[in-house]
Order: sequence, then structure tokens, then C-alpha cells
Amino acid sequence: QSALTQPRSVSGSPGQSVTISCTGTSSDVGGYNYVSWYQQHPGKAPKLMIYDVSKRPSGVPDRFSGSKSGNTASLTISGLQAEDEADYCCCSYAGSYTWVFGGGTKLTVL
Amino acid sequence: EVQLVESGGGLVQPGGSLRLSCAASGFTFSSYSMNWVRQAPGKGLEWVSYISSSSSTIYYADSVKGRFTISRDNAKNSLYLQMNSLRAEDTAVYYCARISGLTFDYWGQGTLVTVSS
Repeated sequence: QSALTQPRSVSGSPGQSVTISCTGTSSDVGGYNYVSWYQQHPGKAPKLMIYDVSKRPSGVPDRFSGSKSGNTASLTISGLQAEDEADYCCCSYAGSYTWVFGGGTKLTVL
Repeated sequence: EVQLVESGGGLVQPGGSLRLSCAASGFTFSSYSMNWVRQAPGKGLEWVSYISSSSSTIYYADSVKGRFTISRDNAKNSLYLQMNSLRAEDTAVYYCARISGLTFDYWGQGTLVTVSS
């Protein structure tokens, strides 16, 4: 159960787009279309932003989108806003009711 | 409104035990599988344990297998995590999280467990 690999940090200016990658293996990201992304502000609980690779829960702006290719999933945030500054973590189902998370990526809005 | 409220965290010595609780409201608790997920200070999230809606299916991460026990009481809308033989590396904020499909869709605010002498 090794953690998924994410960049430690990414940054972008307001209005720009950023993409956060999440690399796993064929036993998790590559094997299932059950990748989710969570936004976490300091001291707060994680908030679901994307599920099943590319689906958005109601209330999440369409500036947030997800995709997957092979063993790598990606979260793209377009039209960056100051409020998007947070930690983002990916998660993948890994079979037999087990899950694996990424190490988290800190997004800085410049 | 879905609410998950954890309690029971605190300071415990290595080798000690602690029981966490999660009180659920705003949804039909007995219809959903639940999980515990933890986050060590400054680290990423780590899945800990899964329990199905009827408690018939239970899984644990290798890091806690044999030491932690997940359970639930659907009559009390509550989820529990009994943690024994605690180690320093178990220090973390522990979240309870609801599962919808295979996604953690709602999370509690977490309870901090500190294992230290």
C-alpha cells in the first residue's frame, strides 16, 4: 500500500490554470476508475472536489476538472482564484475495500 | 445536512489504548459504509479501516492490522475505532468518513491522537 506520488507544491497567478498530477500503479490508479481529489485548508477537514476520475459533486465550480491516463490522474484548476489556495490530495481505490492516498500538493496562488 | 463528529482523542503513552467515536447525523447511517482515515502532522492522508453498513465486511491497513478494531452501532448512529498497542507513529488526526460508491464523500472535523511518553 504505497502512497500515490504528487508534486509537493504548485503555484499559479489568479486567472491562470494549474494541473496537479497523481501517479500510482496498475493496482490502484491504473486499475480502477475510482480516483478522487480532495481540497484541504489548514486545520480543516478534506472536501471532495472530484470523484470517479472526472465527476464533480454539486456545488463544486466547473473550474475544477479531473482526468486519467494510464497510471496517472490529474486535477486541473482553471481561472485560479485566491480561495483555491489549499492542499490538494488524490485518492484511488486499490481493491478489496482498501484505498491509497497521495502525499498532498500545496497550491499557492501568487 | 450530513454531520460527522469525532471524539475520544487525546494523549496516550506508547503501548496504551484509546477508543475513538464518530457520531453521525443528517443521513441514514445504517445504509452507508464508513471508514477511518488519519493524517500525521505535516503528512498526507492515510486510509486506516473500512466497515460495511451491516458490519459484515471489515478491512484494515497493514499498518494497523491486529492492533485496531473498527465497529459500529447503527441504533446509535455511531462509528468506533478501538486502538490498542499504540505507537508514536500512530500520532495523527483521525477522521471518520462516509463512503458513497467508492468515494469518501463526507468527512468529520477529526480528533487528534498523540502517542508520547
